[in-house]
Amino acid sequence: SYELTQPLSVSVALGQTARITCRGNNIGKKNVHWYQQKAGQAPLLVIYRDINRPSGIPERISGSNSGNTAALTISRAQAGDEADYYCQVWDSSTAVFGGGTKLTVL
Amino acid sequence: QLQLQESGPGLVKPSETLSLTCTVSGGSISSSGYYWGWIRQPPGKGLEWIGNIYYSGSTYYNPSLKSRVTISVDTPKNQFSLKLKSVTAADTAIYYCARRGTMAVAGLDYWGQGALVTVSS
Repeated sequence: SYELTQPLSVSVALGQTARITCRGNNIGKKNVHWYQQKAGQAPLLVIYRDINRPSGIPERISGSNSGNTAALTISRAQAGDEADYYCQVWDSSTAVFGGGTKLTVL
Repeated sequence: QLQLQESGPGLVKPSETLSLTCTVSGGSISSSGYYWGWIRQPPGKGLEWIGNIYYSGSTYYNPSLKSRVTISVDTPKNQFSLKLKSVTAADTAIYYCARRGTMAVAGLDYWGQGALVTVSS
């Protein structure tokens, strides 16, 4: 079965740039989706199909995907960006999630 | 605005069957191209996909849960449901229902607020 690997935690200083990675075998050939989950809330889709933002998601949040690594980049980090972030792909019509990364804004 | 709402018992005894329903409002569950699914999250842990259903009844399940899971759809009621049999404490989790967008999006673009289900005698 397909596996996605994320770092457990990432820290970023207020106003700086955070990068959260998601590693998988040839993940560049798949469409990657990213979710933000704040404490006590349901996940929220923030990036779909590698680079696209749903309506209402700020341009500060961007995605990339190539080779064996996809990444979510959050520029000008704010306190409100503190959350767990999950990557996800579809593999043979089944969903696979990464283990999640806790983003701390210092 | 599309909304999803989970409902069902919050406490289930070990070895029994967990049953949840997701009611969709603000849109039709029969809309072409959308799949409707269940995801769960044990307390303090990550997300685990359970399965999807199309309004026609086609289903896809997580291989690790397939033997215990049934997802069904009730189009007149605009609802879909989850049954998980032979539950244990390891099935204690927040259960979310969600919509998978069309191929143009393909991510899970709408989620319910989640329902905590505890397995305990």
